[in-house]
Amino acid sequence: EAGVAQSPRYKIIEKRQSVAFWCNPISGHATLYWYQQILGQGPKLLIQFQNNGVVDDSQLPKDRFSAERLKGVDSTLKIQPAKLEDSAVYLCASSLEFGQRTTEAFFGQGTRLTVV
Amino acid sequence: KQEVTQIPAALSVPEGENLVLNCSFTDSAIYNLQWFRQDPGKGLTSLLLIQSSQREQTSGRLNASLDKSSGRSTLYIAASQPGDSATYLCAVRGNYGQNFVFGPGTRLSVLP
Repeated sequence: EAGVAQSPRYKIIEKRQSVAFWCNPISGHATLYWYQQILGQGPKLLIQFQNNGVVDDSQLPKDRFSAERLKGVDSTLKIQPAKLEDSAVYLCASSLEFGQRTTEAFFGQGTRLTVV
Repeated sequence: KQEVTQIPAALSVPEGENLVLNCSFTDSAIYNLQWFRQDPGKGLTSLLLIQSSQREQTSGRLNASLDKSSGRSTLYIAASQPGDSATYLCAVRGNYGQNFVFGPGTRLSVLP
């Protein structure tokens, strides 16, 4: 089966600019996650969707970050305006829910963002 | 709030050694625990998933165990190979439908 697709792979922007990332989860996966991974650390959840509804966005810096998942399939994550500390890898993941026992998470390749 | 730690932070071993990576979590009420591998500049590859009712899972040379009561999981790698060099991350999920909380990872180097 096809994996989680993310684009772009790399992005370099200047601080105060805006940027958007795209994710297409595995077909049929209801749950979609966006994680931020700063160099040398484990991933940290930004937002979790169940279909097109938000389950958890408690750690999303809402003054500059936004995310949407229209039609409950693919998703976009936007940063506006970007700060230097936003430099990180942004990972998208999906998992199968709704009664499936094996709720294993599958990750995309990530987008490496550098803010200069 | 769930917190996950991993020891050691980095490990370097000669090829052929058996090794153990450790993962600890503060809240023992977990739904499942997943081990991942991350190669430099890449995303996360799922290695093993252990449900809360299970004690261990095996895949090839990998064996993961879970002791919920003590808040610990170990990943055992048998007969290590240079291709095993990567960062290994563990992640726990508190309840069905919740997100995964990650540890900081263990960076493994297997020397030929």
